[in-house]
Parts: sequence; C-alpha cells; structure tokens
Amino acid sequence: DAGVTQSPTHLIKTRGQQVTLRCSPISGHKSVSWYQQVLGQGPQFIFQYYEKEERGRGNFPDRFSARQFPNYSSELNVNALLLGDSALYLCASSADMNTEAFFGQGTRLTVV
Amino acid sequence: KNEVEQSPQNLTAQEGEFITINCSYSVGISALHWLQQHPGGGIVSLFMLSSGKKKHGRLIATINIQEKHSSLHITASHPRDSAVYICAAFNTDKLIFGTGTRLQVFP
Repeated sequence: DAGVTQSPTHLIKTRGQQVTLRCSPISGHKSVSWYQQVLGQGPQFIFQYYEKEERGRGNFPDRFSARQFPNYSSELNVNALLLGDSALYLCASSADMNTEAFFGQGTRLTVV
Repeated sequence: KNEVEQSPQNLTAQEGEFITINCSYSVGISALHWLQQHPGGGIVSLFMLSSGKKKHGRLIATINIQEKHSSLHITASHPRDSAVYICAAFNTDKLIFGTGTRLQVFP
C-alpha cells in the first residue's frame, strides 16, 4: 500500500508567483494536514482538512489556502510568494482527526 | 517559551550507548508523537502514545501525563540511528512540534 505521496518533490519559484503543492493520503485516510518547516526549525501547522472541510488553521497569512477533494487528496496554494516562504512543506494523513499521523517526503520550495 | 520543548538539542554517542531524549510540553494534549527525520526531510512516525510506555525494537517511548513529560530511549545505538528526533503534541486540531534533537552515533 502506498504511503503519503507529495508532488512535486522540489520546486523553484520567483517572488510574486503562485504555487500549488499536492498531497495524496494513505488509502482510507480522511484527514490531511499541512505543515511548513523552515530550515533549522520544527514544522509549523498550516491547515487541517477532514472530510473535505477545513477543521483547523495555523497562524499563516491569507496568501495560504488549501482544499481537499472528494478522493481526500489535497492541494496547498500559496499566492504572491515571498523569499520567506522557502521551506519544506509537509503533508500528513491520518485515518481520523486525532489518530496517528503519517508524513509524506515533503515538497522543498525555494523562492528566488 | 515554546509549548513543546526538547532536550538536548544535540547529542553525540558511541555505537552501543543507551540514549535518552526528553520532551516536555505545556499544552493540553490528547496524545504525543515521536518522529524521526533524516537529511532530505522525510519524516517517519515512530510512536504515538497517550499513556504509559511503548516499545518497538530498540526504541522505547514513555509518557507521564501528570508531569507533562515524555522520553524516547534508544538501546544499543547504531550509526543508522543518526537523525533528528522530534516530539509533537496533539493539541485539538493540530500537532505542535518541538525543535528536534539531532543525534549522531559514531562507530
């Protein structure tokens, strides 16, 4: 059974551009969460989606948005990219809202 | 002060040594995760626990809910255990992460 898959694995964008990151959860998992990990720091919570609804949002600007599709896959969108958005973006899936989380390999975004 | 604190930040050990990493948290939690992150970024879930103790191979995790403290132990450490170990607390809708402990095990 495939684990959590994220695409793309690496991405380079220019300041001001927009980016879409994708996540496919483990089959049967209904919850997807997104985290941002800046180099040298622990991951920070961005969003949680469960059953296609936003169930939690971290302290990130409105430039960050996400959605979950009927097949439970998810997209994270970031508009008007800033240099400070350069980070590893991690997706985690879990069967339910507070059950064990399983992480993808992440998407490394570099904004130049 | 971070809501989830880990110690030590860096740890160096010789192969075969017993290793302990500590995690303290100040928020209410429903469970605590121990995670392993290798260079390149991928995170692997080691344990999720809400009480007592769990063991998997050479890894043991304990949690004391009253004291808001958890420990991760590695017995008979090996160079392949070298990684960053992160504790993360389940708080309502999200995981709150510690900053991680960088472990290097030398042969």
